[in-house]
Amino acid sequence: EPEVTQTPSHQVTQMGQEVILRCVPISNHLYFYWYRQILGQKVEFLVSFYNNEISEKSEIFDDQFSVERPDGSNFTLKIRSTKLEDSAMYFCASSESLGGTGELFFGEGSRLTVL
Amino acid sequence: SQQGEEDPQALSIQEGENATMNCSYKTSINNLQWYRQNSGRGLVHLILIRSNEREKHSGRLRVTLDTSKKSSSLLITASRAADTASYFCATDPGGTYKYIFGTGTRLKVLA
Repeated sequence: EPEVTQTPSHQVTQMGQEVILRCVPISNHLYFYWYRQILGQKVEFLVSFYNNEISEKSEIFDDQFSVERPDGSNFTLKIRSTKLEDSAMYFCASSESLGGTGELFFGEGSRLTVL
Repeated sequence: SQQGEEDPQALSIQEGENATMNCSYKTSINNLQWYRQNSGRGLVHLILIRSNEREKHSGRLRVTLDTSKKSSSLLITASRAADTASYFCATDPGGTYKYIFGTGTRLKVLA
């Protein structure tokens, strides 16, 4: 069964460093998303991406964040200068369509620890 | 309240009992989905109900949607220890390209 894969599974970084989290969505999916979840808390929307551009972003997704689909398969989330409060589990998701089934398929997440 | 709030926040039941979780939301939606998350894992889609549907079944799951009250419920019948997880509702506020997740219900099923 097709699945969304994310790398790395865990990354530890120093505050102020740049981090890139990578995702390979399901191949025929058109909509891509990043969410984050601070330990044990709610799942927060960061950004949605369609047709090679951001469709929507939350207030969390400030200038320190960016997304890219560099090669038609990978979907990356970059945090330019990490802060302590960026420590969280970051989930990538993809869906075939927005209006149709709309089911999101999630990866297993990348745990980011900022020291 | 926030878009997508589940209650109760935590629920502990015996194996074989039914578990009911509720979700309330604020804006109009196209559909509502329920997801499950095992500790430390990704979210897994359980069921989707469209705004023009009132009830939907999938195996031991039953979902209802009341758009007039902006609320949904998820019923898991004959629960098993393996159902222990967090359950989240997700809504797509009309006209947006995102799904907003609720705060989740932590379900513990005791064997």
